[in-house]
Amino acid sequence: AQTVTQSQPEMSVQEAETVTLSCTYDTSESDYYLFWYKQPPSRQMILVIRQEAYKQQNATENRFSVNFQKAAKSFSLKISDSQLGDAAMYFCAYRSASQGGSEKLVFGKGTKLTVNP
Amino acid sequence: NAGVTQTPKFQVLKTGQSMTLQCAQDMNHEYMSWYRQDPGMGLRLIHYSVGAGITDQGEVPNGYNVSRSTTEDFPLRLLSAAPSQTSVYFCASSYRIVPRSLHFGNGTRLTVT
Repeated sequence: AQTVTQSQPEMSVQEAETVTLSCTYDTSESDYYLFWYKQPPSRQMILVIRQEAYKQQNATENRFSVNFQKAAKSFSLKISDSQLGDAAMYFCAYRSASQGGSEKLVFGKGTKLTVNP
Repeated sequence: NAGVTQTPKFQVLKTGQSMTLQCAQDMNHEYMSWYRQDPGMGLRLIHYSVGAGITDQGEVPNGYNVSRSTTEDFPLRLLSAAPSQTSVYFCASSYRIVPRSLHFGNGTRLTVT
């Protein structure tokens, strides 16, 4: 079974600075998707960024980018120019893409990000 | 376009009571699922469905039942609520084919006393 590990329960960053959230995963599959979700205090789950395992190029979405290391099974999220609105819980998640593979999305336990003014 | 709609937003139950959490989506997604979120545990999959008439268990299915009679609806039933089921529940849906990112409802906070 796949597992997702977020080793940093809490992180903090100064406004306008850069922070990196870590995520590692364990899988024997070669075809899969990785996600970062943001959950602000409103409780809403918001997709931040998605990475397809077959793509070598790291995904980017404005101030958010990932460092995807397939061999190391690492998928970190970098937030540049941090803003107060970035404060939230961040969840890393894994989903199989293989035919007949698991339909389940497996989540890490989350990292609480605090942004200091 | 409403997306994924969950009702109710909050609910308090007494031990032993039953209730149904409702989930509806209007995006014609084949895949629907229920997660529970507990502090320090992330989101854990309860049950999921890949289409009408098809359901399967996730990581923590005990104490919960589901059915999928239509593409749009995927209710979660608690037959006899227990304090251990106090949690925030999320319904989520997606297409089965790429991009496979989940669309989440806004969650239901359930307290069992």
